[in-house]
Amino acid sequence: GAVVSQHPSRVICKSGTSVKIECRSLDFQATTMFWYRQFPKQSLMLMATSNEGSKATYEQGVEKDKFLINHASLTLSTLTVTSAHPEDSSFYICSAPRGGNTEAFFGQGTRLTVV
Amino acid sequence: GDSVTQMEGPVTLSEEAFLTINCTYTATGYPSLFWYVQYPGEGLQLLLKATKADDKGSNKGFEATYRKETTSFHLEKGSVQVSDSAVYFCALYSGYSTLTFGKGTMLLVSP
Repeated sequence: GAVVSQHPSRVICKSGTSVKIECRSLDFQATTMFWYRQFPKQSLMLMATSNEGSKATYEQGVEKDKFLINHASLTLSTLTVTSAHPEDSSFYICSAPRGGNTEAFFGQGTRLTVV
Repeated sequence: GDSVTQMEGPVTLSEEAFLTINCTYTATGYPSLFWYVQYPGEGLQLLLKATKADDKGSNKGFEATYRKETTSFHLEKGSVQVSDSAVYFCALYSGYSTLTFGKGTMLLVSP
């Protein structure tokens, strides 16, 4: 069964609104989680590293004020897309490593459509 | 820095054909190597992995051998099925931050 759960799987929102995506590790604690964005027919692009109890680390070119990350507990990280615009429409995937990152578990992904 | 290069797709095969998807890498040290599979509209699932040179990862009929001398981790399957149609990602982890992914290779299997 899934060891990382991501919710929601699909969301449609109006331009200018905010959307929150949750990523939970189900049977292990994850002090670190990763958020990726995937454009159609392309690979995963790492957006940020979520660290429990501290600020997230963002990759170059990713707007931290637009993509708010909160890692409030050892099993939950959230990504909030603020003031969403159509160009934010994408597939967002979270990942939590286990076992010293020799294996990463992925959430099911969230398809965000901004209209 | 670390990088992964995969053959471009789509790879189109008939059912029961032999599959090879090439993957080569550049990394510092001795990385762990992975193949992930992504079915349409879903997240990634680990297909197989190898953590040291000459290891062979295998799962669901798929195999890949960690070749340090050629820095490769090619994915193979002897007889593909329609249900194998998906996007396959080669990835490595060398101990820094997170996985480094290839661009993915789409596999299309027809009956």
